[in-house]
Amino acid sequence: KQEVTQIPAALSVPEGENLVLNCSFTDSAIYNLQWFRQDPGKGLTSLLLIQSSQREQTSGRLNASLDKSSGRSTLYIAASQPGDSATYLCAVNGIKAAGNKLTFGGGTRVLVKP
Amino acid sequence: GAGVSQSPSNKVTEKGKDVELRCDPISGHTALYWYRQSLGQGLEFLIYFQGNSAPDKSGLPSDRFSAERTGGSVSTLTIQRTQQEDSAVYLCASSLSVISRATNEKLFFGSGTQLSVL
Repeated sequence: KQEVTQIPAALSVPEGENLVLNCSFTDSAIYNLQWFRQDPGKGLTSLLLIQSSQREQTSGRLNASLDKSSGRSTLYIAASQPGDSATYLCAVNGIKAAGNKLTFGGGTRVLVKP
Repeated sequence: GAGVSQSPSNKVTEKGKDVELRCDPISGHTALYWYRQSLGQGLEFLIYFQGNSAPDKSGLPSDRFSAERTGGSVSTLTIQRTQQEDSAVYLCASSLSVISRATNEKLFFGSGTQLSVL
């Protein structure tokens, strides 16, 4: 059974520092991995999707890497801003899971202090 | 619509009552998913619908939970005889299609329904 773990569970940094969020998964047989952002009381917003054949994806200040063989992905957020404060979730789309069901990690709650 | 719409945004009910949660997916999206997010837990898959195919109910936690999708669009998640452990945020998501895995389509989530069972 696929398990997804995110460490740390919470992170607090001063504005301007780079953020590094980690995600690990136990079964490397995946189609893709997605990073989501969740604001309090809101749904999830998809940030980046990395296909299993890709090593990284970039969007603005966000960069996500994928090392499928070791079961790891890292989300980098450059020059953090207070508006980046949110919970970040990673989710894998496993080959053994029917349909497009995602397995989510528990999330990393980020606070960027002005 | 522009995004996935869920209603109500908040629902408070008494233990033993039935509740219905509604999801209106993005127009044209054929795949629809229900997830549950309990306090301190990750998102838990409940059920998904793909077009006219039989739904995948493998994530439903008990037979008190059921869902339907009428006309391939709006979906309703029903919880009968609610229990306190049903308290959670229920999130709905949709995507264009799951017919082709190669498309690696993103899921688009609604804002969720916060269910509180007293």
